Amino acid sequence: DAGVIQSPRHEVTEMGQEVTLRCKPISGHNSLFWYRQTMMRGLELLIYFNNNVPIDDSGMPEDRFSAKMPNASFSTLKIQPSEPRDSAVYFCASRRKRQGLLLFNYGYTFGSGTRLTVV
Amino acid sequence: ELKVEQNPLFLSMQEGKNYTIYCNYSTTSDRLYWYRQDPGKSLESLFVLLSNGAVKQEGRLMASLDTKARLSTLHITAAVHDLSATYFCAVDVTGTASKLTFGTGTRLQVTL
Repeated sequence: DAGVIQSPRHEVTEMGQEVTLRCKPISGHNSLFWYRQTMMRGLELLIYFNNNVPIDDSGMPEDRFSAKMPNASFSTLKIQPSEPRDSAVYFCASRRKRQGLLLFNYGYTFGSGTRLTVV
Repeated sequence: ELKVEQNPLFLSMQEGKNYTIYCNYSTTSDRLYWYRQDPGKSLESLFVLLSNGAVKQEGRLMASLDTKARLSTLHITAAVHDLSATYFCAVDVTGTASKLTFGTGTRLQVTL
């Protein structure tokens, strides 16, 4: 099990440029979450998907942010155009869906994160 | 809106001492999580608490859950320097659209 894989690990870009962050969830997990972490706001949920379908995007800060999950093994978070205030660490997490009353592992597994710096 | 509060935000303690981190949440939940984060690293799962009265222990850390009081505690026994990190509690709410809401985090510094 390779865990949740995010790329790139670090990204430095100039203001106004498009940035794409990538995430590969754990195989068999069918919920995927994008979080952002900053000193000021802590860990915030941006958007999450169940079975590749966006369920709640109310945490996406602006129209400049968009996320897709074209299949069960891949998701992207795009910022266009990027701004300095978007600088943060972006985490992707995945979770296996609960099935009935059986006690599966409900844990959320987090990727290593992408540290984004917009200058 | 679910709110999750932790205290203290920062904790400096000497090796060998005991202390407790508190996590309060504002609505009914059936799962409470504790995570550890080292500087520049990802979130490492420590405990998942699934029911009222649940207690879990791993080494010098013990977590408990009181769903009636909407309170979880993370107790540190005889702290050692290696426990220095930021600790987060997080809550998710029953339902097919469950998601994690995090507390503010407690930065723990264990001094020699």
